Amino acid sequence: AQKVTQAQTEISVVEKEDVTLDCVYETRDTTYYLFWYKQPPSGELVFLIRRNSFDEQNEISGRYSWNFQKSTSSFNFTITASQVVDSAVYFCALSENTGNQFYFGTGTSLTVIP
Amino acid sequence: DVKVTQSSRYLVKRTGEKVFLECVQDMDHENMFWYRQDPGLGLRLIYFSYDVKMKEKGDIPEGYSVSREKKERFSLILESASTNQTSMYLCASRPHPGQAKAGANVLTFGAGSRLTVL
Repeated sequence: AQKVTQAQTEISVVEKEDVTLDCVYETRDTTYYLFWYKQPPSGELVFLIRRNSFDEQNEISGRYSWNFQKSTSSFNFTITASQVVDSAVYFCALSENTGNQFYFGTGTSLTVIP
Repeated sequence: DVKVTQSSRYLVKRTGEKVFLECVQDMDHENMFWYRQDPGLGLRLIYFSYDVKMKEKGDIPEGYSVSREKKERFSLILESASTNQTSMYLCASRPHPGQAKAGANVLTFGAGSRLTVL
């Protein structure tokens, strides 16, 4: 069974619009970590945020915010006032306390149109 | 600035050739990973290594092998390249999960190696 689901394959928004990228995960562990990575056209995955399963506080960092809800097994990512530089593929990932695996979603390709 | 460096950004090889993809990290990380990225499939784990000379198969190890003779270097080997191995290959590293280092359990990725097998 897929551990991390990113149902949105591609999203296009006009610059300055807000956009939310959805991530739903599945795990039986009580201790786990959730991540978001950004992959710009250059190819290198860039780490954005890590959340552990005991910390459901939402987080805001500049134009970025993350909404972690254990009740719905979701870890959604919102970009406020999007910019062209936000155009990239965004990956959500899960790391369980047991084992060494990271489980990645299939990614959401975001295009911000000027 | 900490880095994971992949030796080749773009490679073109012929079917049946032996291919080496090299990855070096300068962060003294214990764990290193090789992923393959294909459209619509996300990242799939090929192999990972939790220490020197230690390795474990990931989800798609068939057709690949790895070598980790030194802590900083993790090589992915395609013994006989095939066209279905045309893909983007991503190397990553992280500290041992039990360590309380800053950034523990965060994967740091290289820029990727795009391999085309003709």
